[in-house]
Amino acid sequence: DIQMTQSPSSLSASVGDGVTMTCRASQDIARNVHWYQVRPGKGPKLLIHAASILEGDVPSRFSGSGSATDFTLTIDNLQPEDFATYFCQESYSKRYTFGRGTTLEIK
Amino acid sequence: EVQLLESGGNLAQPGGSLRLSCTASGFTFSDYAMTWVRRAPGKGLEWVSVISWDASVTYYADSVKGRVTISRDNSENTLFLQMTSLRHEDTAIYYCAKILRANTWYEGFDYWGQGTQVTVSS
Repeated sequence: DIQMTQSPSSLSASVGDGVTMTCRASQDIARNVHWYQVRPGKGPKLLIHAASILEGDVPSRFSGSGSATDFTLTIDNLQPEDFATYFCQESYSKRYTFGRGTTLEIK
Repeated sequence: EVQLLESGGNLAQPGGSLRLSCTASGFTFSDYAMTWVRRAPGKGLEWVSVISWDASVTYYADSVKGRVTISRDNSENTLFLQMTSLRHEDTAIYYCAKILRANTWYEGFDYWGQGTQVTVSS
């Protein structure tokens, strides 16, 4: 099975800061990685699919990059609504493995 | 507007059964693979199961294989998850979600429901 190692597990930042989180796959998965945001009490929201394609309603301060085994999610100019938990996910296999998540907290 | 509405979550005893439903609207349901994902208290997201657009193919996580059956009724735009032999570790919020592109497996999940709570406890 493909493992998705996401880091860091938590991140502390201030409004206006930029942050980056990473996901490493245990094998080459091309660009079959997607990033989700989860806010308390809400269903997950797809932010980026296929490593770097921003969903239509997602602000341009979010960006994704990477291929093969190493992927990143970057958020520039953090806004209050961005403090949430983020998950990466692979769809190379039909196991759709998620990373363990990165919780972004206000400093 | 795409909407997914889960129902059927409840308190169940270990060894018991539950049937979750997910009613879809706002898209051509029969064109898209559908999936269930869960989140246990204090844990991350865990994929549970996926079913093809025509219900001909299904896949399951090892943690639920043999105890869970995914199905769909394309005439009623509804997805189901039949859960049996429930365990404490099945306690979670269960979400249904739609695969982003039609007639494919290899994509993210672009729409999610709000979730339904399953609690397994004696």
